[in-house]
Amino acid sequence: NAGVMQNPRHLVRRRGQEARLRCSPMKGHSHVYWYRQLPEEGLKFMVYLQKENIIDESGMPKERFSAEFPKEGPSILRIQQVVRGDSAAYFCASSPGSGSSYNEQFFGPGTRLTVL
Amino acid sequence: AQSVTQLGSHVSVSEGALVLLRCNYSSSVPPYLFWYVQYPNQGLQLLLKYTSAATLVKGINGFEAEFKKSETSFHLTKPSAHMSDAAEYFCAVTPFSGGYNKLIFGAGTRLAVHP
Repeated sequence: NAGVMQNPRHLVRRRGQEARLRCSPMKGHSHVYWYRQLPEEGLKFMVYLQKENIIDESGMPKERFSAEFPKEGPSILRIQQVVRGDSAAYFCASSPGSGSSYNEQFFGPGTRLTVL
Repeated sequence: AQSVTQLGSHVSVSEGALVLLRCNYSSSVPPYLFWYVQYPNQGLQLLLKYTSAATLVKGINGFEAEFKKSETSFHLTKPSAHMSDAAEYFCAVTPFSGGYNKLIFGAGTRLAVHP
């Protein structure tokens, strides 16, 4: 059973370009979380999605950031018009999402975004 | 609101020495607590978790942690450090609830192990 997959692992963008980060959850998982890790800091929650629904986006910057988790295909975190401050590691985690009072999150290897 | 404080951003121990990484939490509801390890340029791996069962929790790689409600602490320990334990360690909290559980992380503690 493959783990959570993220691609690309490393992404370099120039200021003003768009960044698209993809996350394929573990097989059978229908819940996806995105976290951001700025240099020398812990992970910060950004958004929580279920298939075709955004449930909690309280950690997402109000502008330029969006996320989706379509019925088919991976979850996408999209950053428009990137700025240097967006340089960070972006981690995706997935969980089964049902049938339990606690749903463990399994993390992917992350995408390291560098904005020049 | 919930928060996590990890005391000491860097900890250095000798190989074979006791490892103690400190974590204090703040939570208005019964929490779930976690320790994750992150090796360079990798994702997070769950070491152990507390989910309201036994207060002394044993995890992988010889690590354990004790939930102390009176001290709002969840410190991570290992009796004897190994060189391969060098990594960054994150404590995290989430409210006890059904459904989804967004994790609130501490800032991390970088553990160095020297010969």
